[in-house]
Amino acid sequence: DIVMTQSPSSLAVSAGETVTINCKSSQSLLSSGNQKNYLAWYQQKPGQSPKLLIYLASTRESGVPDRFIGSGSGTDFTLTISSVQAEDLADYYCQQHYSYPNTFGAGTKLELK
Amino acid sequence: EVQLVESGGGLVQPGRSMKLSCAASGFTFNNYDMAWVCQAPKKGLEWVATISYDGSSTYYRDSVKGRFTISRDNAKSTLYLQMDSLRSEDTATYYCARQRLHPVFDYWGQGVMVTVSS
Repeated sequence: DIVMTQSPSSLAVSAGETVTINCKSSQSLLSSGNQKNYLAWYQQKPGQSPKLLIYLASTRESGVPDRFIGSGSGTDFTLTISSVQAEDLADYYCQQHYSYPNTFGAGTKLELK
Repeated sequence: EVQLVESGGGLVQPGRSMKLSCAASGFTFNNYDMAWVCQAPKKGLEWVATISYDGSSTYYRDSVKGRFTISRDNAKSTLYLQMDSLRSEDTATYYCARQRLHPVFDYWGQGVMVTVSS
């Protein structure tokens, strides 16, 4: 199974700051066939179901604000949230969608400083 | 509007069975693969199982193989998860999710809690 390692596990921020969440996979998520990276990011607010933010490492889901930016390739990926807003306080999970079993990172909790 | 509504959770004793259902609406159910994803209390997300759009293929995480069965009724737009030989470590909120190409989970239900305890 592909192991997904997220860091940090928690992050305290002030509104307006830019934050970076890291995700590392135990093997490459880059498909040699189409040169796409099979990495997704989800947001889960307290008491809610997860919400898909980004897939294929950098493709934003419809309706997701452009302050959410996914980047990276191979085994190292980043979710950047520019100008964090109070509504962004949540848990964030990366997920590899390269192969079964689909595996998630342990999550990063974004809290208010 | 896409809606996924799970039902069937609750408290069950170890070794017993439980069946979850997920009623889908707002999209053409038989065009999509579907999945179950679970989340133990205060823990992260774990993919459990996936079924193809026509039910011909199923995939499971190792820890549930031989104990859980994912199925679907396209005529009723309903997804199921039959859980047998339940263990305490199966205690979690179980989410039904629509699985899009790639595959990613683009819509999720509200989740249903399953507690395995004597």
